Amino acid sequence: GAVVSQHPSWVICKSGTSVKIECRSLDFQATTMFWYRQFPKQSLMLMATSNEGSKATYEQGVEKDKFLINHASLTLSTLTVTSAHPEDSSFYICSAGTGATNTIYFGEGSWLTVV
Amino acid sequence: LAKTTQPISMDSYEGQEVNITCSHNNIATNDYITWYQQFPSQGPRFIIQGYKTKVTNEVASLFIPADRKSSTLSLPRVSLSDTAVYYCLVGLSGNTGKLIFGQGTTLQVKP
Repeated sequence: GAVVSQHPSWVICKSGTSVKIECRSLDFQATTMFWYRQFPKQSLMLMATSNEGSKATYEQGVEKDKFLINHASLTLSTLTVTSAHPEDSSFYICSAGTGATNTIYFGEGSWLTVV
Repeated sequence: LAKTTQPISMDSYEGQEVNITCSHNNIATNDYITWYQQFPSQGPRFIIQGYKTKVTNEVASLFIPADRKSSTLSLPRVSLSDTAVYYCLVGLSGNTGKLIFGQGTTLQVKP
């Protein structure tokens, strides 16, 4: 199936700093990508829809100024966690659809630990 | 977006067939049904997708009744490596569809 890749796989940052996570569609173009976060032993929670060339659409309760999303090309979306705090520590996952089939593919996920 | 209901957990033994049923009473006409598998610290992996009737691939079968208000994922002859969380999702997939996750079913396969 289609490949969606995230980088980095894990990152540790200090409280108050910002960290960027990348999501790439490796073999297809994606005008829309989705960002999720997942806490241990919980399900995935949709954070936002990333739209190529336009502003992201955030789910209710997600701070758009804290979780900056940029979708500058058809193969790359980035999530920047600004002024990170320990409570932002989580597993972040992106997804994208090829458009050619009705299937969404997920990245490997990125672990963020804020210390 | 359709809400899904699945059993929270299931136990099975190696070599058995496992059937996980998902309810989605509010499924819309354009919605597809997709099942994903997730291992700890990994992103969900696509298993199978269907719209109606029966779909089969190399790893699973998906049974969808005519009213589409439920679906059943069938895993033949499970092994220990099939221990994972299984999610049933409904939605308009593809390039513009977003998927809302329910709690999923934790399958524990025992030797």
